[in-house]
Amino acid sequence: SQKIEQNSEALNIQEGKTATLTCNYTNYSPAYLQWYRQDPGRGPVFLLLIRENEKEKRKERLKVTFDTTLKQSLFHITASQPADSATYLCALSRGNSGYSTLTFGKGTMLLVSP
Amino acid sequence: NAGVTQTPKFQVLKTGQSMTLQCAQDMNHNSMYWYRQDPGMGLRLIYYSASEGTTDKGEVPNGYNVSRLNKREFSLRLESAAPSQTSVYFCASVGRIYEQYFGPGTRLTVT
Repeated sequence: SQKIEQNSEALNIQEGKTATLTCNYTNYSPAYLQWYRQDPGRGPVFLLLIRENEKEKRKERLKVTFDTTLKQSLFHITASQPADSATYLCALSRGNSGYSTLTFGKGTMLLVSP
Repeated sequence: NAGVTQTPKFQVLKTGQSMTLQCAQDMNHNSMYWYRQDPGMGLRLIYYSASEGTTDKGEVPNGYNVSRLNKREFSLRLESAAPSQTSVYFCASVGRIYEQYFGPGTRLTVT
């Protein structure tokens, strides 16, 4: 069956370091993968989308990689700040082309301490 | 732009009662979704509407119905609420590059 795995344990890092979060999947051939941020009591907020033919995408301090051979995406936040503390969700398209619904991982909580 | 709005923010129901969760978006998006989020389960898709006039079941549709009233509005109805439907419900609309915009959520408790 299709499965998305994100580290269920919280990731604790110090301000200024790079945070790296992992999203692994099985039995998918997604056309694209997305990352969202969710703060307590709020809805998820879209951060980045990466397509199956892209290896890497950047946006300000954020970087996403997508390895379709390893079936893995890595999400990096460089020069992390306490304000980056949140839960980060990865989501995969169910279809392998064009528009489709998403399947979300359960998320990894990131805690950045000053 | 308000983005995606949801009402109510909180609701407590007794088992067997019915209610409708409202969702509206002002971004002229075609597709809209309803999810529920439970601790340890992540976001699960209940129903979606790829375009005005169409609706489809998602991963967990049992016990729910939806109406795509027009392009802006997509409502979720619980006909006979059960304690298993205690959850946080999110509505989302889909943008140009398939990114999803979420509302603030409705926290529903069924006793």
